Amino acid sequence: EVQLVESGGGLVQPGGSLRLSCSASGFTFSDHYMDWVRQAPGKGLEWVGRARNKASSYTTDYGASADGRFTISRDDSKNSLYLEINSLKTEDTAVYYCVREPDHTFAFDVWGQGALVTVSS
Amino acid sequence: DFQMTQSPSSLSASVGDRVTITCQASQDIRNYLNWYQQKPGKAPKLLIYDASNLETGVPSRFSGSGSGTHFTLTISSLQPEDIATYYCQHFDHLPFTFGGGTKVAIK
Repeated sequence: EVQLVESGGGLVQPGGSLRLSCSASGFTFSDHYMDWVRQAPGKGLEWVGRARNKASSYTTDYGASADGRFTISRDDSKNSLYLEINSLKTEDTAVYYCVREPDHTFAFDVWGQGALVTVSS
Repeated sequence: DFQMTQSPSSLSASVGDRVTITCQASQDIRNYLNWYQQKPGKAPKLLIYDASNLETGVPSRFSGSGSGTHFTLTISSLQPEDIATYYCQHFDHLPFTFGGGTKVAIK
């Protein structure tokens, strides 16, 4: 079964840091571009960023909300994707989804269950 | 600034009704437009990719059309299990923006 499982969410104080992990299974992780999408409570979806695959030199792209505080990385040997967020703000409070891009088109075809990050003092 | 405008923001329809949701891009995004369904408390699910291609396993009552700047998602016969929020999303250029969402309810 194709699956993405996020971990590492929780309550963090403003100004703190957090690292989310996403463990992939059921498919060849190294072949795929992988992304993070977030959703603030009661709000819509926001693309956070992506990590391309080895064939594309593991390059990364980020959405406007990243503003230099977000770092996406991956470890193909562990079938894992990571999102590190520094200088957390209250507006970073959201469910963070790990998502897969399929190899035949541009879309998000597999989603994790999400990890809730709450930024509050 | 690039904008993805989705309408309506919410709708109420009867079981069996034909439902149409539109997504308007502020510039040409070719056919790089996807549609997702999100049920309460769940992760989104891909319904339509490249504007009109039905994702594997998605019921055929869902269809997508459009290109350039105007796109539509149609549910040909609304079912109770279709109660959800629907989002469009483009892949034409960075950043990959989502529409604001359309919440679909049963009348």
